[in-house]
Amino acid sequence: ILNVEQSPQSLHVQEGDSTNFTCSFPSSNFYALHWYRWETAKSPEALFVMTLNGDEKKKGRISATLNTKEGYSYLYIKGSQPEDSATYLCAPRTYSGAGSYQLTFGKGTKLSVIP
Amino acid sequence: KAGVTQTPRYLIKTRGQQVTLSCSPISGHRSVSWYQQTPGQGLQFLFEYFSETQRNKGNFPGRFSGRQFSNSRSEMNVSTLELGDSALYLCASSRGTGNSPLHFGNGTRLTVT
Repeated sequence: ILNVEQSPQSLHVQEGDSTNFTCSFPSSNFYALHWYRWETAKSPEALFVMTLNGDEKKKGRISATLNTKEGYSYLYIKGSQPEDSATYLCAPRTYSGAGSYQLTFGKGTKLSVIP
Repeated sequence: KAGVTQTPRYLIKTRGQQVTLSCSPISGHRSVSWYQQTPGQGLQFLFEYFSETQRNKGNFPGRFSGRQFSNSRSEMNVSTLELGDSALYLCASSRGTGNSPLHFGNGTRLTVT
């Protein structure tokens, strides 16, 4: 079972603050790194899929970077808003043998933005 | 276009019974994956189907099984239910390539009493 670590587990920030979280994963057999946002009472929604070392993706105030050699990704939120409150999940996709790939989710970082 | 549809939304079953959950993917998506979510455990991968074939399987006992039909709809079956099977079961569809994002349904909340 792949060990995917996300830190911190939870985070409270004031509206307007910028914040970031970390996803760590084994770098062997790496294929892609997914980030999802999961709001309460909704289903997880894809934010980014990154494949190349040094990749940077941006969507509005949210951006992510990827380091495949050392096995980590950072997610940044600039100027947090209450609507950013959600659990942010990362999931590396790795080669699991016999031509198949598996997506393994971390336990997530729960972000609460205080108005 | 329509999203991923899971039915039913809620289920209450008794220990020892069996249950079948259904998932209709986004049109054109050939891959359907199933995940179990329990408090403190995060999303645990059950299995993935692609073009009616199981392409990948997680570390769950054989009581958990699934299948995919020619129209890409998928069903998941759990036999001989245990209390620990109480969870939110999420299905996700995608185009099936390694960098395709998953599109999740709203889940089925299963309670075993």
